[in-house]
Amino acid sequence: GAVVSQHPSWVICKSGTSVKIECRSLDFQATTMFWYRQFPKQSLMLMATSNEGSKATYEQGVEKDKFLINHASLTLSTLTVTSAHPEDSSFYICSAVHQVDEIGGYTFGSGTRLTVV
Amino acid sequence: GQNIDQPTEMTATEGAIVQINCTYQTSGFNGLFWYQQHAGEAPTFLSYNVLDGLEEKGRFSSFLSRSKGYSYLLLKELQMKDSASYLCAVMDSNYQLIWGAGTKLIIKP
Repeated sequence: GAVVSQHPSWVICKSGTSVKIECRSLDFQATTMFWYRQFPKQSLMLMATSNEGSKATYEQGVEKDKFLINHASLTLSTLTVTSAHPEDSSFYICSAVHQVDEIGGYTFGSGTRLTVV
Repeated sequence: GQNIDQPTEMTATEGAIVQINCTYQTSGFNGLFWYQQHAGEAPTFLSYNVLDGLEEKGRFSSFLSRSKGYSYLLLKELQMKDSASYLCAVMDSNYQLIWGAGTKLIIKP
């Protein structure tokens, strides 16, 4: 089945530094990937939609200069949290589309727990 | 290895009741989530179970048995808008989410 690998699983960084999170589709090509942020016991909040070879589309309220998304290949999208601050500490999850316009056509990564100290 | 199993697809009739099962084998357990996802939308949180038993929330209920590694999501009085994918996810001992492949629920009139 479709597998998405997300790394790192967890990261602790100092305030002001940048952190890169990778999302890879292992056995399929994903022209579209999504990046989410999850707060405890809440719905996943969509941050941005990443399309291979083009600029990401950010949701309202998400700072594009702070959360840099690169989708340079059909199997890899990266999210870089720049100049991280403690309020950026959260659980970040990616998903990749393996079946367009289909219920259940999304596969999720295991998430990255970011702690900014 | 870690594994979450849930049926690939289910079909039910409007107004009826449907139960979606989820079984899991994970390295540790820090809770089980159920999400609903409509095509093209972000998943919506439905429930979180960390203790055994039934949690009821309106038309939706979720049950957990940690000793059996088993959960189910019960949907009552089904409506057409309930057609969606239902995702089961377990948070393991490292607080990572292990996702099921999702159950595509089709509601027929």
